[in-house]
Amino acid sequence: SQTIHQWPATLVQPVGSPLSLECTVEGTSNPNLYWYRQAAGRGLQLLFYSVGIGQISSEVPQNLSASRPQDRQFILSSKKLLLSDSGFYLCAWSVRREGGYTFGSGTRLTVV
Amino acid sequence: GESVGLHLPTLSVQEGDNSIINCAYSNSASDYFIWYKQESGKGPQFIIDIRSNMDKRQGQRVTVLLNKTVKHLSLQIAATQPGDSAVYFCADRFQGAQKLVFGQGTRLTINP
Repeated sequence: SQTIHQWPATLVQPVGSPLSLECTVEGTSNPNLYWYRQAAGRGLQLLFYSVGIGQISSEVPQNLSASRPQDRQFILSSKKLLLSDSGFYLCAWSVRREGGYTFGSGTRLTVV
Repeated sequence: GESVGLHLPTLSVQEGDNSIINCAYSNSASDYFIWYKQESGKGPQFIIDIRSNMDKRQGQRVTVLLNKTVKHLSLQIAATQPGDSAVYFCADRFQGAQKLVFGQGTRLTINP
């Protein structure tokens, strides 16, 4: 069966520090991968998605970047965090152009 | 489209009553629709989905209704229980697209 792993679960980082959040998927090949951010009490904002290794689509201009070094690995990064980067970050995967997403358990990021 | 910056609308229901959560979508070419449930601090979880060649689909205590004429989707939860308290998101995908478009979400609260 397919599983998605996202870590860490919580993270507190100072302003100006770097960020690396990792997401891996098991049990499937060639998945579409997604990064979402959710502010407290708000909806889901798509940040990046990827349809293959090295293929990244950015949805909104921001202080973040994404990379897909392997088929089932998706990484969200920042060189210098801002206070506004705080939020709940969710990784998800899907079969290409089919069905819905399966979400990870999320990372709660607090920038202080 | 996505309204990620807005506060979530709230629906309050008495325990044991039926809940109806509504969603409007904008793309008449959408052919796949899905509902997610997100409990506090967790990633969204799949509830039920429906394709555009259907008007209704039933699961365990949940029913999704699709009205393509007015581009409206609803989720009905029968005999609402305290464990149904969560934020509910609808999403749709237009034919051939790589990604889902999420609605803003509705917070369902259960009154004892």
